[in-house]
Amino acid sequence: RKEVEQDPGPFNVPEGATVAFNCTYSNSASQSFFWYRQDCRKEPKLLMSVYSSGNEDGRFTAQLNRASQYISLLIRDSKLSDSATYLCVVNTAGGYQKVTFGIGTKLQVIP
Amino acid sequence: SAVISQKPSRDICQRGTSLTIQCQVDSQVTMMFWYRQQPGQSLTLIATANQGSEATYESGFVIDKFPISRPNLTFSTLTVSNMSPEDSSIYLCSATLAGGMREQYFGPGTRLTVT
Repeated sequence: RKEVEQDPGPFNVPEGATVAFNCTYSNSASQSFFWYRQDCRKEPKLLMSVYSSGNEDGRFTAQLNRASQYISLLIRDSKLSDSATYLCVVNTAGGYQKVTFGIGTKLQVIP
Repeated sequence: SAVISQKPSRDICQRGTSLTIQCQVDSQVTMMFWYRQQPGQSLTLIATANQGSEATYESGFVIDKFPISRPNLTFSTLTVSNMSPEDSSIYLCSATLAGGMREQYFGPGTRLTVT
């Protein structure tokens, strides 16, 4: 089983739709979680951190479910500019930080 | 946040040669990393660049092939040695700031093509 698993998609959604991605992780010792956005031929950029209590930033909501070992990203009112690949990142901290990236979920918002 | 620059942005190299990629951060950071991203794939961590000591390599990556330096808190280099076409990839440098949840900031990447 992969350490971090994502559905690679693509998810093709119409403008204005709500779309949700999940990401599962296998290491129960994982301590911090992030969603990154990567546009085509660009570097990944932090979209949002994922807190235990869940967090919201405008149209984006991230949640963590430790019991089931997954994180989610919800995008409301999708815009064309949301088209990108969304990478799930899991950190297992300690004396040596181990960072694992998911393969990413590709989102295409269609006019 | 941190702003990270990489040089070169791209290069085309012949097999058997070596290329050194430079990574510069605009602020002092705690950790620096080197990743590889092949087309259509996610990021694979090559190594953690440690200041003043040998880098910590992930499984499948060795120092002889990917020597790394980090002489100070804001600068690191990755060398891709004795290149083959399989080394064609995007190489990304990243860094984390002290404290917090350790989100990473990425450089723009170096697109390497080995012919």
